[in-house]
Amino acid sequence: QKEVEQDPGPLSVPEGAIVSLNCTYSNSAFQYFMWYRQYSRKGPELLMYTYSSGNKEDGRFTAQVDKSSKYISLFIRDSQPSDSATYLCAMTSSNTGKLIFGQGTTLQVKP
Amino acid sequence: DSGVTQTPKHLITATGQRVTLRCSPRSGDLSVYWYQQSLDQGLQFLIQYYNGEERAKGNILERFSAQQFPDLHSELNLSSLELGDSALYFCASSVDTSLPGETQYFGPGTRLLVL
Repeated sequence: QKEVEQDPGPLSVPEGAIVSLNCTYSNSAFQYFMWYRQYSRKGPELLMYTYSSGNKEDGRFTAQVDKSSKYISLFIRDSQPSDSATYLCAMTSSNTGKLIFGQGTTLQVKP
Repeated sequence: DSGVTQTPKHLITATGQRVTLRCSPRSGDLSVYWYQQSLDQGLQFLIQYYNGEERAKGNILERFSAQQFPDLHSELNLSSLELGDSALYFCASSVDTSLPGETQYFGPGTRLLVL
């Protein structure tokens, strides 16, 4: 079993929809959680970073962490075609920078 | 543009060969990370260097090695290549590692195809 599980999708939604992306993890030592966005043939770029249970909002994006359930989510409101990409959750337990990534969910937002 | 550069962009080679991938971190960043991304394994951490010293190791094969030079650029050496080594190799950099979960900035990657 992988330390981080993420549904690879693909997920296809109409423009303007609310998108929910999720990851579960098994290692209770994970304390820091991130969401990266990766466009085709590009490197991942950091979208959101959280370290505590609860919600963190940034524009149309909301990251949610539930440490008791070992579950994290990323919500995208008013989704746009430019949001079409692969979304990767990542987490770490230490300050060495070793990130453990989920498989990534491919999202397509149709105009 | 993240500020991290990687060369070459594409590399095609044969089984048994050796290749070197190069990474230049963002100006001022002391840490360099190497990741491998394949369809079946996803994005996997290989190794991290901080200011020239190895800091953390992941699932890096013994056939693979890396180093970080005094000018902070890094090279990942892959030897005795196998078909299964075909993947995207990413380099990332960050300022240092004193902050847990510090932002890592990824380069555009090197696409390796082993025939």
